[in-house]
Amino acid sequence: AQSVTQLDSQVPVFEEAPVELRCNYSSSVSVYLFWYVQYPNQGLQLLLKYLSGSTLVKGINGFEAEFNKSQTSFHLRKPSVHISDTAEYFCAVPRGGSQGNLIFGKGTKLSVKP
Amino acid sequence: NAGVTQTPKFQVLKTGQSMTLQCAQDMNHEYMSWYRQDPGMGLRLIHYSVGAGITDQGEVPNGYNVSRSTTEDFPLRLLSAAPSQTSVYFCASSYGVLLEGTEAFFGQGTRLTVV
Repeated sequence: AQSVTQLDSQVPVFEEAPVELRCNYSSSVSVYLFWYVQYPNQGLQLLLKYLSGSTLVKGINGFEAEFNKSQTSFHLRKPSVHISDTAEYFCAVPRGGSQGNLIFGKGTKLSVKP
Repeated sequence: NAGVTQTPKFQVLKTGQSMTLQCAQDMNHEYMSWYRQDPGMGLRLIHYSVGAGITDQGEVPNGYNVSRSTTEDFPLRLLSAAPSQTSVYFCASSYGVLLEGTEAFFGQGTRLTVV
């Protein structure tokens, strides 16, 4: 069965500092992984996705994630965060079977302080 | 492109009332889903549809009904609202099976309070 674990519920950082948001997954099917971002009072927006190929995936707004099969991880990183990166971030995997829907982690709230 | 449109954005219900949350997409996507978001719980799947006329239950279906009469619309009905249904509801659609790496698109959400 598929599952996603986000190890940190809240991550406070100062502006221009680097950040890593951690995600571990369990999947019995081919691995596809997603990171979504939710800005305050908004819907979810795709940040990046891993399908196959290079293990380093670049997304929007300067974020990148690295797929590590041996550690079953897909951590999200940004070398220098901005106030505008304050949001909740969700790691997700496709639900098994023919359904077009996702299993989400519980989310990590990133709070960027000046 | 409008994408995925949800109405209303906010709603307050009294316990026992019924209502329908509307969701429409203009991308000709076959797959549509409803999720609820609760603090510390992430998003949990309520119901989903793989095409017009086909629906199925997700992880937390109790108290909700859905139907899919057209490709575009996927309404979520609360039969008899309870305070436990206070949540933010998101509708999503996708072109195909996410195992093949397609992307899910989300609406802006409906914030529901049941008093």
